[in-house]
Amino acid sequence: AQKITQTQPGMFVQEKEAVTLDCTYDTSDPSYGLFWYKQPSSGEMIFLIYQGSYDQQNATEGRYSLNFQKARKSANLVISASQLGDSAMYFCAMRYMEYGNKLVFGAGTILRVKS
Amino acid sequence: KAGVTQTPRYLIKTRGQQVTLSCSPISGHRSVSWYQQTPGQGLQFLFEYFSETQRNKGNFPGRFSGRQFSNSRSEMNVSTLELGDSALYLCASSPRTGVFTEAFFGQGTRLTVV
Repeated sequence: AQKITQTQPGMFVQEKEAVTLDCTYDTSDPSYGLFWYKQPSSGEMIFLIYQGSYDQQNATEGRYSLNFQKARKSANLVISASQLGDSAMYFCAMRYMEYGNKLVFGAGTILRVKS
Repeated sequence: KAGVTQTPRYLIKTRGQQVTLSCSPISGHRSVSWYQQTPGQGLQFLFEYFSETQRNKGNFPGRFSGRQFSNSRSEMNVSTLELGDSALYLCASSPRTGVFTEAFFGQGTRLTVV
């Protein structure tokens, strides 16, 4: 069963605008961690932001914020003030005990920032 | 603080050969996980090592093996290479194991089997 769903294969955003990348997840485990990674064409997987299932507040890291809606099982990534360097593949991932704490990834969303 | 280092960055091997990939985690991190990334299958978990013990293994054939040393460095070995093993292999470093633990990746090793 698909555990992490990213419904947007590709997105375009104008430079300096904000963009939201969608992610929904499926688990009955109450304890889980949610992650977003950026993968530029070079291949490196860059950690962006983390949210634990018991965290009350949405996580933020600079221009990145995670819109965590637990009841809807969604963990959308919001990038504010997009930059050309934000063009990359973005992966949503989850760790949960049922899967032995390994990271389970979504299919990814390709983001292109236009100047 | 140095990040996760994977060597080599690129490899070209012939079908039937074997290959060893190396991963040095962030200093102080004790958990190392390996992932395979292909266009068709996406990112798939291979195995996790913590304190030199394999904690978890993905659904890969026995040709894929790994180990972790006392300094937390890890190696992954693939024997009898097949064309389908061509992929980007990513190593992730975590300070500990568990669901509430961040994972930091290296730049990956791009393996091409010809």
